[in-house]
Amino acid sequence: NAGVTQTPKFQVLKTGQSMTLQCAQDMNHEYMSWYRQDPGMGLRLIHYSVGAGITDQGEVPNGYNVSRSTTEDFPLRLLSAAPSQTSVYFCASTQTKAGGTGELFFGEGSRLTVL
Amino acid sequence: KNQVEQSPQSLIILEGKNCTLQCNYTVSPFSNLRWYKQDTGRGPVSLTIMTFSENTKSNGRYTATLDADTKQSSLHITASQLSDSASYICVVRGQAGTALIFGKGTTLSVSS
Repeated sequence: NAGVTQTPKFQVLKTGQSMTLQCAQDMNHEYMSWYRQDPGMGLRLIHYSVGAGITDQGEVPNGYNVSRSTTEDFPLRLLSAAPSQTSVYFCASTQTKAGGTGELFFGEGSRLTVL
Repeated sequence: KNQVEQSPQSLIILEGKNCTLQCNYTVSPFSNLRWYKQDTGRGPVSLTIMTFSENTKSNGRYTATLDADTKQSSLHITASQLSDSASYICVVRGQAGTALIFGKGTTLSVSS
């Protein structure tokens, strides 16, 4: 019963490097999203997707790209990492069809440090 | 502006004691409110959902209340256990087309 799976769990980058955080869900959820969590700031929405081929920006999208080629996968790309992107990143998904409760199912998080 | 405010920011209690966490919101029109529990190093997990017509809902030792008139919700934890140590996040959903609004959470520490 995997739910939402994020990889890697930990990553250290140097300023200017690029990387991709992977997110996969096996619940056939239409909606997927990425959040960052910083001390004292709570969870902030980076990007989200309401279905394959559809993505949109959230509250803090700068410096991040996403794509949604399949229902299951929603990778988050950092094109040129900056120290301000040091954070814990969470992927979450939910059912949006009629009957869905709107409960977000979160992955275990990816802790990223940018030096 | 749609906002969700949680209090207190942090709380320390002795094992076995009760506590109440508060969530005030300005989201309108309102659809529902969820309480999530986030253990250290883990992702948040839903504890309960409150809709407009519900006043009280229990999930084991957790009891959530909602006053839609005053736009306030509380999460009461009875007979706390060490495993209750976590962050508790209040998330409010507006009606169709409105984004989820997250509170910043309350960090609860239960000590023996």
